[in-house]
Amino acid sequence: QSVLTQPPSVSGAPGQRVTISCTGSSSNIGAHYNVHWYKQFPGTAPKLLIYGNSNRPSGVPDRFSGSKSGTSASLAITGLQAEDEADYYCQSYDTSLSGWVFGGGTKLTVL
Amino acid sequence: EVQLVQSGAEVKKPGESLKISCQGSGYTFTNYWIGWVRQMPGKGLEWMGIIYPGDSDTRYSPSFQGQVTISVDRSISTAYLQWSSLKASDTAMYYCATFSGGTDNWFDPWGQGTLVTVSS
Repeated sequence: QSVLTQPPSVSGAPGQRVTISCTGSSSNIGAHYNVHWYKQFPGTAPKLLIYGNSNRPSGVPDRFSGSKSGTSASLAITGLQAEDEADYYCQSYDTSLSGWVFGGGTKLTVL
Repeated sequence: EVQLVQSGAEVKKPGESLKISCQGSGYTFTNYWIGWVRQMPGKGLEWMGIIYPGDSDTRYSPSFQGQVTISVDRSISTAYLQWSSLKASDTAMYYCATFSGGTDNWFDPWGQGTLVTVSS
């Protein structure tokens, strides 16, 4: 059971908008720690997608956006494309565990 | 370009020891933390620990404290993750990643991963 909870899977048709939630608690996201997002294709290393809740590294399309409110965060992907099909993970810091935590991951399927 | 290159896949027997490596290049190795992350087959990412090459300050996840040892050799810009006695449950992909330090920071970039298989 991950400290940060994500839906196991989401899906959408090309061109649609999907969101992936990341629910935490008062010891992590609710304690005002930042949330970061990673994208991982099968068999490859994760890659940073969003940092500091809503910032995109250079090269990440603006179709990807992040937000945070209360004890939760969300990743939104607009204009869904086939190459967006991957696993997505959120990450934050947990003060109770004194360490960094990941969500369980969400598999995005592009229909 | 900041790059982390990890050592190759390993196949070991239960009870054997193992040390895998992660070599950094393209940046000042001693200025950034390096973290280790486990991904068991078909599962998610788990933070194991981090080390600051500048002074070897090391932090472990409670889940991995006492199970692994993280170390560094500054002379060759390399971080290590080691086991003294492997178990079948250690079978996983292990990633290293640079980390700016501080509770609010993120892991980027990542090494390509080292697959560890433990089987009798």
